[in-house]
Amino acid sequence: AQRVTQPEKLLSVFKGAPVELKCNYSYSGSPELFWYVQYSRQRLQLLLRHISRESIKGFTADLNKGETSFHLKKPFAQEEDSAMYYCALSGHAGGTSYGKLTFGQGTILTVHP
Amino acid sequence: ETGVTQSPTHLIKTRGQQVTLRCSSQSGHNTVSWYQQALGQGPQFIFQYYREEENGRGNFPPRFSGLQFPNYSSELNVNALELDDSALYLCASRSEARLGSYNEQFFGPGTRLTVL
Repeated sequence: AQRVTQPEKLLSVFKGAPVELKCNYSYSGSPELFWYVQYSRQRLQLLLRHISRESIKGFTADLNKGETSFHLKKPFAQEEDSAMYYCALSGHAGGTSYGKLTFGQGTILTVHP
Repeated sequence: ETGVTQSPTHLIKTRGQQVTLRCSSQSGHNTVSWYQQALGQGPQFIFQYYREEENGRGNFPPRFSGLQFPNYSSELNVNALELDDSALYLCASRSEARLGSYNEQFFGPGTRLTVL
């Protein structure tokens, strides 16, 4: 079974402080991990995925298979980072990527000025 | 290029009724997934349609059914509505991934269903 856990529902930091949003997963195969973000009054959108190993808006996330974690980090938070963040997992079915995403419950990040 | 659109934006139904929600996929996308998002929860996968056939389903009862049309738009039908069906229903579209690659899912704004 696939499961994604985000232990913090709420996270508050001050502008310029480092931020880390935690995500742990459970999956027996080789998962693909993602972070999705939802800004106020906007639709859910992809922030980054572990395969691309890129930094988006200063955010990075490293897949740690030993700890089954995929924490999202940013060294200096900005006010515009305030949003709902979801960690998600996609499992493979056969040889192709399978579209089912399993989401965590989400973490509301608030960055104070 | 237009994004994913959903209709209606909101609707209110009573217990036992049936509802149909609609989704137009993004141009060039042939796969549509539906998700249910209850208040305070992350989205939960309902099912996925590819080339007009269901090819993946989450843990939802048969009264949740769907259709995909030749133009790749999709419907979600829910029969015998229950109070717990009150939620935001999200549609997401993507191009079916090539072997070994992932194509991003693009989400619509959602339909807010309230069951009284």
